Amino acid sequence: GQNIDQPTEMTATEGAIVQINCTYQTSGFNGLFWYQQHAGEAPTFLSYNVLDGLEEKGRFSSFLSRSKGYSYLLLKELQMKDSASYLCAALDSNYQLIWGAGTKLIIKP
Amino acid sequence: NAGVTQTPKFRVLKTGQSMTLLCAQDMNHEYMYWYRQDPGMGLRLIHYSVGEGTTAKGEVPDGYNVSRLKKQNFLLGLESAAPSQTSVYFCASSSRDAQETQYFGPGTRLLVL
Repeated sequence: GQNIDQPTEMTATEGAIVQINCTYQTSGFNGLFWYQQHAGEAPTFLSYNVLDGLEEKGRFSSFLSRSKGYSYLLLKELQMKDSASYLCAALDSNYQLIWGAGTKLIIKP
Repeated sequence: NAGVTQTPKFRVLKTGQSMTLLCAQDMNHEYMYWYRQDPGMGLRLIHYSVGEGTTAKGEVPDGYNVSRLKKQNFLLGLESAAPSQTSVYFCASSSRDAQETQYFGPGTRLLVL
């Protein structure tokens, strides 16, 4: 079966760095997405990785290892507004997105 | 450019009632999707459409029907609502050239009593 695993909840301190991990098992693979979702709002696109390695975009970076079925989202210089759920999703061979349940990130002052 | 819009934003139904959720996008996207999001679970695909006049079943299609009569609109229908359909429903769209990146509407919160 197809499966996405990510931690349910994480806590970090304002100004610090946090890494949110995601492992995936899909039938075929066409890329890995990270979305941010604030409470009561729609998911918004953060990053897309299809090749191995690290993609940096400002304070956010996303890493992919296809051989390990593993990705992480790295958030630096955390701000209170980064408190949100972070959704990992893998694109399978049919170009369907398989979603994880999301990681709720709590930022403390 | 409003992006993806959904109506209504919130609705309460009694078991057995019917309703239609409307999704509209002004980005000329070919692909459109309906998801439901429940606590502790990932987004689950209900139905999707790859173009005007075409629809296909997703992961959890039972109890729902859809129609895509116009490219910009994707309707989700509940013929006989059940409490298990209490959820937040998100519509999304993507272009054929970048189908992997989906743009989401604000969601519809549905409570079935």
